[in-house]
Amino acid sequence: LAKTTQPISMDSYEGQEVNITCSHNNIATNDYITWYQQFPSQGPRFIIQGYKTKVTNEVASLFIPADRKSSTLSLPRVSLSDTAVYYCLVGDRTGGFKTIFGAGTRLFVKA
Amino acid sequence: DTGVSQDPRHKITKRGQNVTFRCDPISEHNRLYWYRQTLGQGPEFLTYFQNEAQLEKSRLLSDRFSAERPKGSFSTLEIQRTEQGDSAMYLCASSDSGGNEQFFGPGTRLTVL
Repeated sequence: LAKTTQPISMDSYEGQEVNITCSHNNIATNDYITWYQQFPSQGPRFIIQGYKTKVTNEVASLFIPADRKSSTLSLPRVSLSDTAVYYCLVGDRTGGFKTIFGAGTRLFVKA
Repeated sequence: DTGVSQDPRHKITKRGQNVTFRCDPISEHNRLYWYRQTLGQGPEFLTYFQNEAQLEKSRLLSDRFSAERPKGSFSTLEIQRTEQGDSAMYLCASSDSGGNEQFFGPGTRLTVL
């Protein structure tokens, strides 16, 4: 399973765009990139998943360069309620998708 | 369907006691996962079921831990002879066969005194 590296913490202000980058240098051909969000005392919540280029949903965008060795989660116009831990995961979803979470990035949004 | 549910939400036990947790996944999901999370860390994978078959187990799942999913629906995680190091949040998640997204329950917080 590919190991991921992401910043331990980030600060932002309300209304700003936040970009969290994740490195996954040994990503395999079948691996997908998935991001989860977790609030204190809750289970993680799926945000977005992608394989290459760009994926966008109502919550975020995921940018994946051609070499797929990194990815960037983009949160447009964050609010205080986006303060949470964000996890980047890499794994093969066809075989059961054993999921390895790292320590995540703690995003703190200030007023 | 209201999502993944876990019971109990909190459990306090004394060292050496056995505890059992239950997870009810989203009804149409055939995949079920158990994780353990300690303060400040991400969830650690413990085990995974596809229907009733336990397909993967982490080395974290010592002989004191056992998980079952007898009818391919709900699952139980039992910890025998609990130790203080077992204190953690135990999370359950489920997904469909595509595995695109895991839906997590609220977790069971275990405190071993």
